[in-house]
Amino acid sequence: QVQLQESGPGLVKSSETLSLICTFSGDLSGSFYWNWIRKPAGKGLEWIGRIYGSGSTDFNPSLESRVTMSVDTSKNQFTLRLTSVTAADTATYYCARDLWRGNSFGSFDSWGQGTLVTVSS
Amino acid sequence: DIQLTQSPSTLSASVGDRVTITCRASQSIHNWLAWYQHKPGKAPKLLIYKASTLENGVPSRFGGSGSGTEFTLTIRSLQPDDFAIYSCQQYNVRPWTFGQGTKVEIK
Repeated sequence: QVQLQESGPGLVKSSETLSLICTFSGDLSGSFYWNWIRKPAGKGLEWIGRIYGSGSTDFNPSLESRVTMSVDTSKNQFTLRLTSVTAADTATYYCARDLWRGNSFGSFDSWGQGTLVTVSS
Repeated sequence: DIQLTQSPSTLSASVGDRVTITCRASQSIHNWLAWYQHKPGKAPKLLIYKASTLENGVPSRFGGSGSGTEFTLTIRSLQPDDFAIYSCQQYNVRPWTFGQGTKVEIK
C-alpha cells in the first residue's frame, strides 16, 4: 500500500482556481493511476479524473472543461487544478491510487484522508 | 453515466447482527464493482473489488456477491468498528461512479 496526503487551501473564492497537491510514499511497485475524487456534504462520492505516470489523463466529462492534472514523480506528487469554481465545488477532496490487479484498473486501494475545500462568494 | 442506487440509505443494527447492503446499477457492469468503508476524518478503505474479491487485510466477515446489475455487501457479524458509511463503485465504464452511500448506525 501507499500513503497519500492531500494539501492545499481550505478556502477558495468563487470564480478562482482550486489547486491541490497529493504527496505519496510507500510501495510504488506495479502499474497504477493517481486519481482525484470528491465528496460534497450530504452527497455521494464523485470521480474527478486520473493521471498515469506518463502524464496521460482521463477526466469526468462533467468537469473536463475545468480540470487539469499533473504528476511529478521526482517529488512523489500529483496535482489537481479546477478552474472557475462555484459553491457547487465545495467538497472534501480525496486523492487515491488505482492499482492494476492483473485484469483491470478502476478500484482504489489507497486513499488520502481528504481535505475540505470551501468555495466562498 | 451509470447510476448506482444503494439500499437502504441508513441501516440500524446491533453488534453481532448480519447486515446486507444492496447496490443496483442502471445497466450491466458485469462484475466490475468495488465496496468501500468510510469514516469521518479517515481515509476510505477498499473492502471488496471485482464484486466478490476481498482486499488484503480485510476481515473475512465482509463478503460481496452479485453480477450484472445487482450486488450485495454482507457483514456476517457486525463489530463495533464496522459502524460507518459503505459505498459501492462501478468501474466498467468511465466515468467511474459511486452509490450514494449506506450509513450503518448503532441500534
